[in-house]
Formats: sequence, C-alpha cells, structure tokens
Amino acid sequence: GENVGLHLPTLSVQEGDNSIINCAYSNSASDYFIWYKQESGKGPQFIIDIRSNMDKRQGQRVTVLLNKTVKHLSLQIAATQPGDSAVYFCAENIAQGGSYIPTFGRGTSLIVHP
Amino acid sequence: DAGVIQSPRHEVTEMGQEVTLRCKPISGHDYLFWYRQTMMRGLELLIYFNNNVPIDDSGMPEDRFSAKMPNASFSTLKIQPSEPRDSAVYFCASSFYIDNTIYFGEGSWLTVV
Repeated sequence: GENVGLHLPTLSVQEGDNSIINCAYSNSASDYFIWYKQESGKGPQFIIDIRSNMDKRQGQRVTVLLNKTVKHLSLQIAATQPGDSAVYFCAENIAQGGSYIPTFGRGTSLIVHP
Repeated sequence: DAGVIQSPRHEVTEMGQEVTLRCKPISGHDYLFWYRQTMMRGLELLIYFNNNVPIDDSGMPEDRFSAKMPNASFSTLKIQPSEPRDSAVYFCASSFYIDNTIYFGEGSWLTVV
C-alpha cells in the first residue's frame, strides 16, 4: 500500500546546529506537501508547504526540499533553537473534491540540547 | 480569530460511558476534520465535512463512533459506548478550500478506564 513514513523517529541536536528531518512518501498522486510542528500538549501547526512543481522552498530558518524521483521530502532547520523542540510531521496531500486532504506520517521528535 | 476551539480539553471516563467531543471551527472555514492521535498509529483522519456535509467517514473505526455537524460553527464526535482502546487525543481541524492549510485545535485528551 501507499503511505507516508519518516526515516528517524528521534533526532537530537545541539543548539545552533542545523537539523534535517526526512520523510518518504509513496503515493505518486500526491502533489502538495506540508510540514507541521507539534509542541507538547498542543495541536500541529503549519510550518511550510511545497507543491510538486517545485523542488525547494525557503521560509524563515526553514527550508523544504522535495525529490520527486525518489519520493523524498526533507525539512531543514537552520541554527536550531530550544524552542524548535517538538514533533515534526510531514503530510502528503491528495486532491479530493476540489480540496486537499492531508495524510500524516508518524512524526519525528526533535530534541534540541542547549 | 480565536482559532479552532475544542472541548473538553481533558476527559476521563469509565468504559461503557458515552463521550461527546465538541468543536468550533474557524469562522468562514468550509472544511472540518476530526483526527485521532495515538503513539501507535500517529494522526489518523476519522472523518471530514465540507459545508456541514460528511464527505468521507472511512476512517471512523466502528459503529460506536459518530460525528455530526449541524451547522457551520459546530461539530461533535461521539463515542458510545466508550472502550479503553479509544483513549487518545482527538483533534478537530478546519480549513478554507482555497487556502489548503488546515488549522488544528488544541485537542481533547480522552482517557477511558
């Protein structure tokens, strides 16, 4: 079956380092991807998105890379801060009835050590 | 805007009891989603509505689960009777179709003992 999965369940980094969180997807029909951040006790929050006609998109301290050839997505966080500690989810979106319905991966826990 | 509002935030109930979770989506949003989150299964889509109409309920685990959206500003997810394996965090989320980004509530943490 097709699914969204993450390579690493937990990533520990030192404050100031760059973090890279990876995600694999297998549904070739997916054409829109979103990264969400979930802090403890809260709901997931939108970080950045990318459409399949792009291979890179940058935000504030975050960059998402999309490699459609190998169906791989990554989230890069520059100069990681303790406040970045959270679980990060990638979501692949499949168009249904005029809107996109996201399917979430299992999540990667990012731990930032001061 | 206050965001997606869910209640209760926390609920502990005994097995066999009815549980009702409530959600107020962001005003103007026309899509509403119910997700369940557990350590074992991650975030699972249970059901979603478009303009108050249920579109896909294939994620609803069994007949004990039901969801309604009587109007654009309110939805409920009901579990009757509840079982310990229903213990999870239940998230409501909403979106506006042009935006494509869904906004989550803070979740309802359910424990069934």
